[in-house]
Parts: sequence; C-alpha cells; structure tokens
Amino acid sequence: AQSVTQPDIHITVSEGASLELRCNYSYGATPYLFWYVQSPGQGLQLLLKYFSGDTLVQGIKGFEAEFKRSQSSFNLRKPSVHWSDAAEYFCAVGYSGNTPLVFGKGTRLSVIA
Amino acid sequence: GAGVSQSPRYKVAKRGQDVALRCDPISGHVSLFWYQQALGQGPEFLTYFQNEAQLDKSGLPSDRFFAERPEGSVSTLKIQRTQQEDSAVYLCASSSKPGQGIPDTQYFGPGTRLTVL
Repeated sequence: AQSVTQPDIHITVSEGASLELRCNYSYGATPYLFWYVQSPGQGLQLLLKYFSGDTLVQGIKGFEAEFKRSQSSFNLRKPSVHWSDAAEYFCAVGYSGNTPLVFGKGTRLSVIA
Repeated sequence: GAGVSQSPRYKVAKRGQDVALRCDPISGHVSLFWYQQALGQGPEFLTYFQNEAQLDKSGLPSDRFFAERPEGSVSTLKIQRTQQEDSAVYLCASSSKPGQGIPDTQYFGPGTRLTVL
C-alpha cells in the first residue's frame, strides 16, 4: 500500500534559522508529491507540488522542496524561518488521475525567538 | 474568489445521534473529496465524487457513513448513530479536473470538527 512517512513529529527552530522537514514515500511508480501547511483551525493550504521536470521546486512563502528518487524523499526546506511559519506541515502523495491523496502524519513546527 | 466552505465548523453530538456535514466546493470544480483527520494524524480519504457520481467510497469506515452530491455541486456527509471514535475533523476538498493523467491540485475547506460525547 502507498504510504508517506514524516519521521519528525515535532520540530522547534529559532526564528531566522534554516528548516528542513523530512518526507519519504513508498510507491513503485512515479509519484506526484505535495506539501501542505495547516494552521490551527484552518484547512490545508498548498505550499508546493512536484509532478515532473526540475527536481527542486519552489513554493509559496519562501519554501522549496527537492525530489530525490533514489532516496524516495521529498524534503521541505526554508532558509530562514519566520514566527508565522509555526504550523503543522503535511507531505502527501498522489498518483494518476484524481486519486485521493495519501498523507503523512504531519510535522508540527514551533518557532522560538 | 471564494474557496471551499464547510458548515458547521463545529458540531457536538451525543452518541447515537445522526449528523450531517455540508461542503460547498469551489464553483465549477468537478471533483470533490472527503477526508477524515483524527487528532494528531494526517487526513485520511473517505470518498470521492466526480460531478454527482460517487466513484470511490472505499475509505468510508462503516455503513453508518453516507455521502451524496446530488446536483454535482454541494455535498453532504452524513454519519448515522454517531460513536465516540467518529470524533475527528472532516475535511472537504475540490479540484477542477475530472480525472486521468496528472492529478489536479486539491483545495481544502476549513473542516468541520465533530465531537461525539
């Protein structure tokens, strides 16, 4: 079965520090990969997505992610975190057509001064 | 433009009651998904509509769960005889494409938080 693993349940970073959130997926075919962010009481907002082409993708709010097929990974990065980035981050994988997304369990990001 | 809206935002039900959760997708979006998000977990798929047709309901946890989208726009998720394990946030998402090929971005609503006492 398809699965997404986010190994870090909770990460705390200082404001201004760099950030990397890990995501690994399991599937044999080419995956379509997504990162969503969820603030308390809010729905999921798409940060970025990878379908094909350049393996480094840029998203909103200064986020980027790199697809590494050899490692089955799609890690999310940001060079300098802002306090407003504190939220829950979900990695998800989709496949052909409008198949439902399979989500990881999420990583909660806390930002300290 | 308007995004996906869901109502009510919060629902408290006594065990055994029936509940109905509403989703208004983005206008013109063909595809509509329901997900269940338990506390501390990622969303999990429940069911999928393409227009008014329910093409996939493999994620519905029991026959107490029923979803419909009779006119291909608004959708309702109904849970009969609610139980405590039904407590979760129910998320609705819509996308503009009907399917096949590269998946379209799913746009999520704010969710309905259901608490069953």
